[in-house]
Amino acid sequence: EAGVAQSPRYKIIEKRQSVAFWCNPISGHATLYWYQQILGQGPKLLIQFQNNGVVDDSQLPKDRFSAERLKGVDSTLKIQPAKLEDSAVYLCASSLDLAGEQFFGPGTRLTVL
Amino acid sequence: AQTVTQSQPEMSVQEAETVTLSCTYDTSESDYYLFWYKQPPSRQMILVIRQEAYKQQNATENRFSVNFQKAAKSFSLKISDSQLGDAAMYFCAYRFGIQGAQKLVFGQGTRLTINP
Repeated sequence: EAGVAQSPRYKIIEKRQSVAFWCNPISGHATLYWYQQILGQGPKLLIQFQNNGVVDDSQLPKDRFSAERLKGVDSTLKIQPAKLEDSAVYLCASSLDLAGEQFFGPGTRLTVL
Repeated sequence: AQTVTQSQPEMSVQEAETVTLSCTYDTSESDYYLFWYKQPPSRQMILVIRQEAYKQQNATENRFSVNFQKAAKSFSLKISDSQLGDAAMYFCAYRFGIQGAQKLVFGQGTRLTINP
């Protein structure tokens, strides 16, 4: 069974530029999560989808971050404009349903210069 | 607020020895789950072990076991017969439900080094 796929694996941008990350969850998984993991810290949930609907986006900085999961499968997380403090690893995870075990992707390491 | 605290930023152990990683959490919930995740240098987070709060028996998965003290809100991970492949960041996590959604809160992590 294929795991959670993410791309790109690495991204370097200048501050004030925009960037997008892509996630393909495990087939059949209805719930998808985006986490931000700043160096030296544990992951922090940014947004959670159930199919194509948002379940929790309380910690998403909505002035610059946006995410979508239009067809209930793949998801895109966007940052526009990026700030220095956005440098982090962005992890995508998926689970079969809202109560299921979360499986994590390899992450995208973002560096904002 | 639900918080998870790992007080050991780094730990090291000799290969084949036993090591215990500490974790405490704060919650007013009665129904929740606790997890230990392993994150090797490649960054793919892997579930090591889970514990349901309503179960008194400590969970065990091969060389990995937990000491769950619900009253003390403590959840430590014991790794027996440490192997070089156990070297990684270990995160303690607490999961609780809000209006049907399950939210996972992570600790700061403990970096475990295995000395050959």
